[in-house]
Amino acid sequence: DTAVSQTPKYLVTQMGNDKSIKCEQNLGHDTMYWYKQDSKKFLKIMFSYNNKELIINETVPNRFSPKSPDKAHLNLHINSLELGDSAVYFCASSFLQGGYGYTFGSGTRLTVV
Amino acid sequence: DQQVKQNSPSLSVQEGRISILNCDYTNSMFDYFLWYKKYPAEGPTFLISISSIKDKNEDGRFTVFLNKSAKHLSLHIVPSQPGDSAVYFCAASANGSARQLTFGSGTQLTVLP
Repeated sequence: DTAVSQTPKYLVTQMGNDKSIKCEQNLGHDTMYWYKQDSKKFLKIMFSYNNKELIINETVPNRFSPKSPDKAHLNLHINSLELGDSAVYFCASSFLQGGYGYTFGSGTRLTVV
Repeated sequence: DQQVKQNSPSLSVQEGRISILNCDYTNSMFDYFLWYKKYPAEGPTFLISISSIKDKNEDGRFTVFLNKSAKHLSLHIVPSQPGDSAVYFCAASANGSARQLTFGSGTQLTVLP
């Protein structure tokens, strides 16, 4: 059973397009995250939702919009894609209270051409 | 602004020997530290953590040491095994940060048989 699943795993698209990445967790966690791994390999937080409420919103272009229909899902919509958006995007989940161990999805490699 | 730094992008160790991965941080508000392990095409997986009230935490072959005065932590793997070959990320969190983790850029560990 996949604990945190992201789709698609690979996404190649042209500049200017709008795309979505979906994430679902079946761990019963109350908090979900989107992280971006850039070309220098740093994992940087983009957003965090706790029970469908946005709790972390880092400095991310407003072309990126997260949506959490319920606490088991956190989707990422990206409008007007740019070359610099090419990266690997990781979804993760955890309990807000208690241990800090995130469970990550396997990542979505986005390539904008 | 790299608050968590892993200055060694790669490390090679002979099987059976000790692997020591290092991490430095600059934010004195960090009070919880974690190590994650990442295989290619997979998401990072939680390995071990340590609270700032401790200076050592051990779990099987893995031990994390924390030197708060130096703002330095290290992960020791003894004995190293070929299956330990992966990218290791150091991460840190500050109290009240909604479980936001700040990651280093990772160290690629290669354990040679």
